[in-house]
Amino acid sequence: NAGVTQTPKFRILKIGQSMTLQCTQDMNHNYMYWYRQDPGMGLKLIYYSVGAGITDKGEVPNGYNVSRSTTEDFPLRLELAAPSQTSVYFCASSRQGRLTGELFFGEGSRLTVL
Amino acid sequence: GQQLNQSPQSMFIQEGEDVSMNCTSSSIFNTWLWYKQDPGEGPVLLIALYKAGELTSNGRLTAQFGITRKDSFLNISASIPSDVGIYFCAGQSGNQFYFGTGTSLTVIP
Repeated sequence: NAGVTQTPKFRILKIGQSMTLQCTQDMNHNYMYWYRQDPGMGLKLIYYSVGAGITDKGEVPNGYNVSRSTTEDFPLRLELAAPSQTSVYFCASSRQGRLTGELFFGEGSRLTVL
Repeated sequence: GQQLNQSPQSMFIQEGEDVSMNCTSSSIFNTWLWYKQDPGEGPVLLIALYKAGELTSNGRLTAQFGITRKDSFLNISASIPSDVGIYFCAGQSGNQFYFGTGTSLTVIP
């Protein structure tokens, strides 16, 4: 029962460093999402993908990049990390259909940029 | 981006009391969802609403999709200590889901 798996769970970066947050799902969902959660701000959509080879920007894409080479994996890349990217990042997936709506979330990756 | 206004921001209640929270938007949504987040974990879906006017229950939880498609409410009856957490509303428009800022619920035994 893996569902959505994110790694790493915690990471500390220095300003200017780069890293990739990994996300994989085993539910054969075609839709995948990356959100960031800041205190008192809810979840903001960074990028999403409706299938392998297709990605689109969400509300807050600046400073991030994504790729979707397979149905299972949707990594999020941070280039030149900045303190403003300190946040908790959640990956989610869903199987879109006539009755859409349920997002399955990973446990989150807590990133601190110093 | 879409703005979802969720209220109240936080609630402190006695065990056994009923809870009500709501979410409003300036935009129309096709689907309204309610999630609960426990500390250190990702949100988990509680109730999904797909039609305007729909009223749906899940145990002690009841949620409604507003007629205007711009609002939704969630009620929790007879609260228990494990109801503690942050509750988020979310609206779906096209391929995107937009989240409210959350209601933090504390249940005092």
